Amino acid sequence: DAGVTQSPTHLIKTRGQQVTLRCSPKSGHDTVSWYQQALGQGPQFIFQYYEEEERQRGNFPDRFSGHQFPNYSSELNVNALLLGDSALYLCASSNYYEQYFGPGTRLTVT
Amino acid sequence: AQSVTQLGSHVSVSEGALVLLRCNYSSSVPPYLFWYVQYPNQGLQLLLKYTSAATLVKGINGFEAEFKKSETSFHLTKPSAHMSDAAEYFCAVSEAGGGNKLTFGTGTQLKVEL
Repeated sequence: DAGVTQSPTHLIKTRGQQVTLRCSPKSGHDTVSWYQQALGQGPQFIFQYYEEEERQRGNFPDRFSGHQFPNYSSELNVNALLLGDSALYLCASSNYYEQYFGPGTRLTVT
Repeated sequence: AQSVTQLGSHVSVSEGALVLLRCNYSSSVPPYLFWYVQYPNQGLQLLLKYTSAATLVKGINGFEAEFKKSETSFHLTKPSAHMSDAAEYFCAVSEAGGGNKLTFGTGTQLKVEL
């Protein structure tokens, strides 16, 4: 079992650009959540996808959007990047009882 | 609304000593509670979870936590620290099953000294 995988591992973007991060869930999981972890902070919930629909959303602006594909993999898109968007972005796939996290994508905005 | 408070952003213990990491939660419904560990440049690994069964929960690597409703606490303990336990630890709460939105604390960095 490959577990949760994310790509790319690291990414450097310029302010105002757009970025797409990708996540493949653990085998057998149909729900994917995204979290943002700023340096020195705990992860903050962005949103969750189930059956290709956004099911829950945290307090993030509309610049943050996502998608889930029929194979349950997911993308996180961030438009009009700000310096404050620099963070580790974590994807988690889940069953009812717990979430399994991927290694994350480190996004640096310059 | 749910929230988590972790007291002590940094905790230092000697190898072989007791580890105690504190977590208090706030939840409008019976909570699901979790402890995760994060090693440098890695994602989060689940240590243990409370899902309204036994109040004393045993996890991986010798860690355990006790759910105390009256104190709204879910402190993490380990009888004897090992150098490999040095990492950041996060407490998290969910109000609708562990597969739903997790609200995390700000984390506690554990340092283990010889």
